[in-house]
Amino acid sequence: SYVLTQPPSVSVAPGKTARISCAGDNIGTRGVHWYQQKPGQAPILVIYYDTDRPSGIPERFSGSNSGNTATLTIGRVEAGDEADYYCQVWDSPSDRLGVFGGGTKLTVL
Amino acid sequence: EVQLVQSGAEVIRPGESLRISCKGSGYRFSSYNINWVRHVPGKGLEWMGSVDPNKPQSRYSPSFQGRVSISSDKSITTAYLQWSNLKASDTAIYYCARGYEYGLDVWGQGTTVTVSS
Repeated sequence: SYVLTQPPSVSVAPGKTARISCAGDNIGTRGVHWYQQKPGQAPILVIYYDTDRPSGIPERFSGSNSGNTATLTIGRVEAGDEADYYCQVWDSPSDRLGVFGGGTKLTVL
Repeated sequence: EVQLVQSGAEVIRPGESLRISCKGSGYRFSSYNINWVRHVPGKGLEWMGSVDPNKPQSRYSPSFQGRVSISSDKSITTAYLQWSNLKASDTAIYYCARGYEYGLDVWGQGTTVTVSS
């Protein structure tokens, strides 16, 4: 089955830019979705289809996807952005089996 | 308001059966797949499977195939996740979430399942 690899942790100072990677074989040909999960809360969708933001998600959140790596970028990081972030794809159009990356803990210094 | 409301926390003995539920409201229930996601605290999210309420047709991750059953009843806009033989390793928080092509855009609040003798 398809495997997504994320770094376990990323640290960034407030006001700086955080980049979280999600690696997968030819992931650029798939639509990638990103979720934020804070402790004790359900995940929320922050980016869908590589680059699109759901309503209510700040413009500071953006995404890109090319080749073997997708990236979630968070600009002007705030303390409230500290959370676990997960990338997700669907394994194949016919199977419609979901796959999550292992998650990245974003720490705001 | 679009929402998914899950059933309450459960404490179950090993070997017992369990069904938890996820009720959708505020949208056309049959138009969106319902997915189930497992979260063991301290570990990552795991996609378990999904159901298309309109067919209904269920799909399962190979990791959960044969271990759980996913179903839905669109007449009461509710989806279900069911086990027949729970193990201690099934202790986790289980989330339902709406969606497919555009990601999982609406999530339930989570149901904590504790399997302990």
